[in-house]
Parts: sequence; C-alpha cells; structure tokens
Amino acid sequence: EPEVTQTPSHQVTQMGQEVILRCVPISNHLYFYWYRQILGQKVEFLVSFYNNEISEKSEIFDDQFSVERPDGSNFTLKIRSTKLEDSAMYFCASSWTGKNEKLFFGSGTQLSVL
Amino acid sequence: AQSVTQLDSQVPVFEEAPVELRCNYSSSVSVYLFWYVQYPNQGLQLLLKYLSGSTLVKGINGFEAEFNKSQTSFHLRKPSVHISDTAEYFCAVIMNYGGSQGNLIFGKGTKLSVKP
Repeated sequence: EPEVTQTPSHQVTQMGQEVILRCVPISNHLYFYWYRQILGQKVEFLVSFYNNEISEKSEIFDDQFSVERPDGSNFTLKIRSTKLEDSAMYFCASSWTGKNEKLFFGSGTQLSVL
Repeated sequence: AQSVTQLDSQVPVFEEAPVELRCNYSSSVSVYLFWYVQYPNQGLQLLLKYLSGSTLVKGINGFEAEFNKSQTSFHLRKPSVHISDTAEYFCAVIMNYGGSQGNLIFGKGTKLSVKP
C-alpha cells in the first residue's frame, strides 16, 4: 500500500537554527498538508498546499514557517528560526482529491528545539 | 466555536475486555467524523469514518463507532481488545459549510493501554 514518508523521524536543533522537515507524499496525490502535535495537546492544522501554492494556513503558520515542493516528489516544511515552543511532532499528509476525509498521514517527525 | 473533546486521556483495560473511548464534538453545521489510531512510532492511520448514512460505522481491527447527533457524540467501541490495540486514538471532525469543508479538527487523543 502506498504511504507518505517523512524524514527524519527525529530532529534535534538549537534554538534560532533553521530546520527543514521533509515529506514524500503518495505519488499521484495533488494536495499536501502539514499538521503538528505539541506534547499533550491536540493535533493542529498548519497549512495546505495545492498547485504550488498555499491553499490555506492557520494562525500558527506565521512568517517563520514556509512550505515548498522543490521537485516532483518532495514536500518540505521550513522553520527559519526555531523557538522552544516549536518542539512538536510534525505530520505530513497528502490527498488525491483535496477532500479532507481522504487524507493519508505520514509517521511524523519529532522536532526537539533545545 | 467548533471543538472535539476526548474525555479520557488514558484508558487502561485488560485483554479481552470491552472498551469504549469517548468523543464529543461541538458544531453549528453538519460534520464528518473520524477516528484515527497511532501505534508507537507510526503515523496516524484512519480507523473509521462517518460521512453519511448508517450511524453505526464499522472500521478496521474490529472497532466500531456510533454517531449520535442528539448527544453530539461519536464514541469508539470494541467488544474484546487485544494487546496489539495498545495505541493512541484520536477523534477528529470536519465541518461542512455548504459547498466547502473545513480542515480536520482533532481531539487531544486517548491512550489505550491493554494489559495481559
């Protein structure tokens, strides 16, 4: 069964450093998403992406965040200057239809900002 | 405001016992409802979903859930759990605004721990 792949599974970084989280969505999917879960809190929507542009973003997704589809297979989330409160599990998801009921999630990247 | 509440953060249960994980939501519009499961070191996997039709929904691994509109609930049940069901379970909702839909809104999750 096709799956969404995220790398790395764990990332440790120093506060203020830039970090890039990588995702390989399912190959024929067109809609891409990032969610995150701070320890003990809810999984929260960050951003959706379609046709090489952001479709929607939450208030969490401020100027420190950016997304990119640099080639035909990868979808990345960049945090420019990490803060302690960025420590969370980040989930990538993709969909063929753009319907949120048909999302496929990756296994997540655990980001720890020290 | 729309929200999803999972009342129990942790549920310990013995193997072969029945289990119910509770989920309530609040919404002023119609909804789609979901349960996701996250096994250790794995991604979020869809367990089951309610979009329309029968309010009793059956999912993978013997789980089922019932949509109760009057109580705004979507509780997850399994009549007999296995050790392998140990995982975190997330209830989620999508709001339907006529021709468009919102994003997935998740609850905080319930950690199910099945003991021998």
